Amino acid sequence: GAGVSQTPSNKVTEKGKYVELRCDPISGHTALYWYRQSLGQGPEFLIYFQGTGAADDSGLPNDRFFAVRPEGSVSTLKIQRTERGDSAVYLCASGARGSSYNEQFFGPGTRLTVL
Amino acid sequence: AQSVTQLGSHVSVSEGALVLLRCNYSSSVPPYLFWYVQYPNQGLQLLLKYTSAATLVKGINGFEAEFKKSETSFHLTKPSAHMSDAAEYFCAVSVEGGTSYGKLTFGQGTILTVHP
Repeated sequence: GAGVSQTPSNKVTEKGKYVELRCDPISGHTALYWYRQSLGQGPEFLIYFQGTGAADDSGLPNDRFFAVRPEGSVSTLKIQRTERGDSAVYLCASGARGSSYNEQFFGPGTRLTVL
Repeated sequence: AQSVTQLGSHVSVSEGALVLLRCNYSSSVPPYLFWYVQYPNQGLQLLLKYTSAATLVKGINGFEAEFKKSETSFHLTKPSAHMSDAAEYFCAVSVEGGTSYGKLTFGQGTILTVHP
């Protein structure tokens, strides 16, 4: 079966613009995570969905960031009024359920560049 | 809160030599520990995980790691490096309970270079 897919693979935008990043998890996976990976750093947790609801959004850096998962499958990460500091690779991962010992399957990421 | 420290942002070995990538963690509760590998332009792939069963964990591609509670370490090893092992490796920790839901805390990564 298909793995986690993310679109677009690359996104270049100008400071102040709005962007949407999409994640298609593995079919049947109820747990979905977003992480952000800045250059030279490990991924950092942003938000976790169990089904349609965001169970933990403690990693979102500020209120310009929010994410949705309206039907419990595809998720969209939305960034308003982008800033140059938002430039990073945004990773999505899914898992059979949100458990500390379950494997998370990662997508290839979306590289966001804010000019 | 938990954290992970990977000692050495870059490690270089000769083909056929031992690979040792270091990872130390900090956690106030028993952790679950993971090693992921990231090849260029690809997603993170799980190499192995420790979930409180055997302390010596064997993973894919000949890698293994040993959980040492007394040293709070989970170092990754491979007896003989292959050129195809060149990639970036991440150690990560997760804990059970509370609002964790399995979210991973990653180290900064170690880039492994293998030269002929």
